[in-house]
Amino acid sequence: KNQVEQSPQSLIILEGKNCTLQCNYTVSPFSNLRWYKQDTGRGPVSLTIMTFSENTKSNGRYTATLDADTKQSSLHITASQLSDSASYICVVSDRGSTLGRLYFGRGTQLTVWP
Amino acid sequence: NAGVTQTPKFRILKIGQSMTLQCTQDMNHNYMYWYRQDPGMGLKLIYYSVGAGITDKGEVPNGYNVSRSTTEDFPLRLELAAPSQTSVYFCASSYSNVDYYGYTFGSGTRLTVV
Repeated sequence: KNQVEQSPQSLIILEGKNCTLQCNYTVSPFSNLRWYKQDTGRGPVSLTIMTFSENTKSNGRYTATLDADTKQSSLHITASQLSDSASYICVVSDRGSTLGRLYFGRGTQLTVWP
Repeated sequence: NAGVTQTPKFRILKIGQSMTLQCTQDMNHNYMYWYRQDPGMGLKLIYYSVGAGITDKGEVPNGYNVSRSTTEDFPLRLELAAPSQTSVYFCASSYSNVDYYGYTFGSGTRLTVV
């Protein structure tokens, strides 16, 4: 069964600290993996995307890694800011259909305290 | 460039009532999608469309209907609202079925059925 599991479910850190969010997936055949940021009351916004051949991708203070062999990804946030408080969603696409179905994780709720 | 616009932002329905959630995009995207997001859960695909006049069921289509008469608009219809349809609904669009270009999400419609 194709699934995307994220951990932790929630995380609280102090402003300026770093953190790492985890994503494990069983989606096959794999197409790509994307991390989204979803602010409260808003739609998800894409942060990074990685295909099978990519193992790291950065977007400012966000760095995503992908290990396609172990089917694991992580999102590392450096020097956190209050505006980083949001839900971070891991989304994996498959190649199994013409649509390229997306599988969404439940998200990690990050809270950054001053 | 407004992106994906959803209306209304909030709505309370009584059991058995009907309503239409509106979604419009100004990016000339062929692909459009409707997702629902239940508390603590990943997004689930309700319906999608690959172009004007073409729609298809997603993972959780029961209780919903869609139409796609134009490239820009993709309304979602609830005919007989049920408490199980209480959720946040997101409309999204994409350039192609290759997810590399990413989805653009609307800001969501929060629906409560009482």
